[in-house]
Amino acid sequence: AQSVAQPEDQVNVAEGNPLTVKCTYSVSGNPYLFWYVQYPNRGLQFLLKYITGDNLVKGSYGFEAEFNKSQTSFHLKKPSALVSDSALYFCALNTGTASKLTFGTGTRLQVTL
Amino acid sequence: GAVVSQHPSRVICKSGTSVKIECRSLDFQATTMFWYRQFPKQSLMLMATSNEGSKATYEQGVEKDKFLINHASLTLSTLTVTSAHPEDSSFYICSASNPGRAYGYTFGSGTRLTVV
Repeated sequence: AQSVAQPEDQVNVAEGNPLTVKCTYSVSGNPYLFWYVQYPNRGLQFLLKYITGDNLVKGSYGFEAEFNKSQTSFHLKKPSALVSDSALYFCALNTGTASKLTFGTGTRLQVTL
Repeated sequence: GAVVSQHPSRVICKSGTSVKIECRSLDFQATTMFWYRQFPKQSLMLMATSNEGSKATYEQGVEKDKFLINHASLTLSTLTVTSAHPEDSSFYICSASNPGRAYGYTFGSGTRLTVV
């Protein structure tokens, strides 16, 4: 069975500081990893994905994530946080095209002035 | 870009009535759509996977007679909550697999269902 863990319920960071939202996974086979962001009462917006290739993936709004196979991690990062980045972030995993996504429990990012 | 339209965004209904939620892919054909339920401050729980022209595959514990899913065309899937009860109140989100984007999924904006 595949699973995704987001160990932090909430991450607090000051605007302008770098942010990291952690994600680890467990799967047999090659993982396809995703990050999504959700604003209140909204659906999920795609940020980035790792399928294959370079371990560092760059996505929308200045976010990036690094795939680390040995640590089975896919942490989301941004060099300089903005207040508008405050939202709920989900890491997700699947193993093939059109197969269902397994989501982590989500991490609430709070960026303050 | 790929867009999935979900309607209505909010609905309030009385206990015992049925509610239909629509999910449309506007600029691509979605052979596979997914329906999720999200409780407050919790993750998304996959309810079912629907494939165009065939019966939906429900996750364990999801009542298929209560949550009717129809995927009659490549651009439309519907979720009908039958005989709704207050405990069905939740945020429902659909997602479409987009074959034009490798391993891509596009999510609808969600439907807030409140059963009174």
